[in-house]
Amino acid sequence: GNSVTQMEGPVTLSEEAFLTINCTYTATGYPSLFWYVQYPGEGLQLLLKATKADDKGSNKGFEATYRKETTSFHLEKGSVQVSDSAVYFCALSGSGAGSYQLTFGKGTKLSVIP
Amino acid sequence: DGGITQSPKYLFRKEGQNVTLSCEQNLNHDAMYWYRQDPGQGLRLIYYSQIVNDFQKGDIAEGYSVSREKKESFPLTVTSAQKNPTAFYLCASARLGVNEQFFGPGTRLTVL
Repeated sequence: GNSVTQMEGPVTLSEEAFLTINCTYTATGYPSLFWYVQYPGEGLQLLLKATKADDKGSNKGFEATYRKETTSFHLEKGSVQVSDSAVYFCALSGSGAGSYQLTFGKGTKLSVIP
Repeated sequence: DGGITQSPKYLFRKEGQNVTLSCEQNLNHDAMYWYRQDPGQGLRLIYYSQIVNDFQKGDIAEGYSVSREKKESFPLTVTSAQKNPTAFYLCASARLGVNEQFFGPGTRLTVL
């Protein structure tokens, strides 16, 4: 079955530091890949997505590239801000039948300190 | 504004009681989902529905029930059979055939 593995947190960074959160996946076919963000006490918001190999998703300074050869979708940001403090979830949806379901990683909590 | 609403935001229940969580969307989405979130566990799928009057079990459906009488609404009932119901519950919706899901703000259920 499908699975997503992301780096365990918590991750604590100083403001303006570089961020990488690793995400690797196992899936058959050609899944779509997502990063969702959850701020404290709230639901999830889609941060970015990529639907095919070598696609780069980007939003709000965050980027992730769909690497089929390494089955990875690592999240990066060049300069984090205190407002980026949240939990980040990597997720995939399969191709074909069952593509309507999302499989999530366990989440990585990011804290950015001034 | 289009979106997904969940109510209540916080819910307390005594052991042995059933409780129903509300989820409403005005996005005209066909598909709706219920997830359970536990600390450090990510999200796990409870039930999903792609059309009115039809729904399927997810990975952890035991102790839960749903209905889909209207396109806009997908309530979740946590029954007394659910052994460990204290969790954060998230509802989501999506257009049929599109794998991007939109999430509500969640309901935090605590069993006393």
